Amino acid sequence: SQELEQSPQSLIVQEGKNLTINCTSSKTLYGLYWYKQKYGEGLIFLMMLQKGGEEKSHEKITAKLDEKKQQSSLHITASQPSHAGIYLCGADRRGGGSNYKLTFGKGTLLTVNP
Amino acid sequence: ETGVTQTPRHLVMGMTNKKSLKCEQHLGHNAMYWYKQSAKKPLELMFVYSLEERVENNSVPSRFSPECPNSSHLFLHLHTLQPEDSALYLCASSFKMSSGSQYEQYFGPGTRLTVT
Repeated sequence: SQELEQSPQSLIVQEGKNLTINCTSSKTLYGLYWYKQKYGEGLIFLMMLQKGGEEKSHEKITAKLDEKKQQSSLHITASQPSHAGIYLCGADRRGGGSNYKLTFGKGTLLTVNP
Repeated sequence: ETGVTQTPRHLVMGMTNKKSLKCEQHLGHNAMYWYKQSAKKPLELMFVYSLEERVENNSVPSRFSPECPNSSHLFLHLHTLQPEDSALYLCASSFKMSSGSQYEQYFGPGTRLTVT
């Protein structure tokens, strides 16, 4: 089973609409990262959440971490075509010692129609 | 401008070829990573070089061989690849504390590899 489940897998919205993307972990979260990727390109770091209840915002994008539910949500307000892309969540898996591992969800493809 | 560069951006190679992917970071980070991104699959961590230590995903075949000569440069040597190895290979870097805590990873633009 997938360690990080993202929902929805894809999303099409009209410009100006709000939307939410969810990321749920099957294991304990020590940190949660959100990235955006244009197709075939590298990932752009958006936000990192480390504490339960933490909420961060950047321009029109807000991310929250619910540590108890092992879940994070990414909310975009008044979406614009520039928000289109693939949104990926990544989880910090502290394996002990130096066995660090960052795992990712499959991503959510966002399309914003003008 | 991400501060992490990768070359080449695109590579087509036959199964008997030997090639290398290069990654360079200009961010003063002390950890570097190789990821593989295939269609319909999550981003897969292949190798980590951190604080002079190498950590690898045991499921990565030996036909992939990483090299990290210093904290700014990372290579992925490819040898006798298979068509299923075709994917986008992403390099990333971050700053990692000796305690294990680390800051966010910054990614390069990737190398699109096609194995024929």
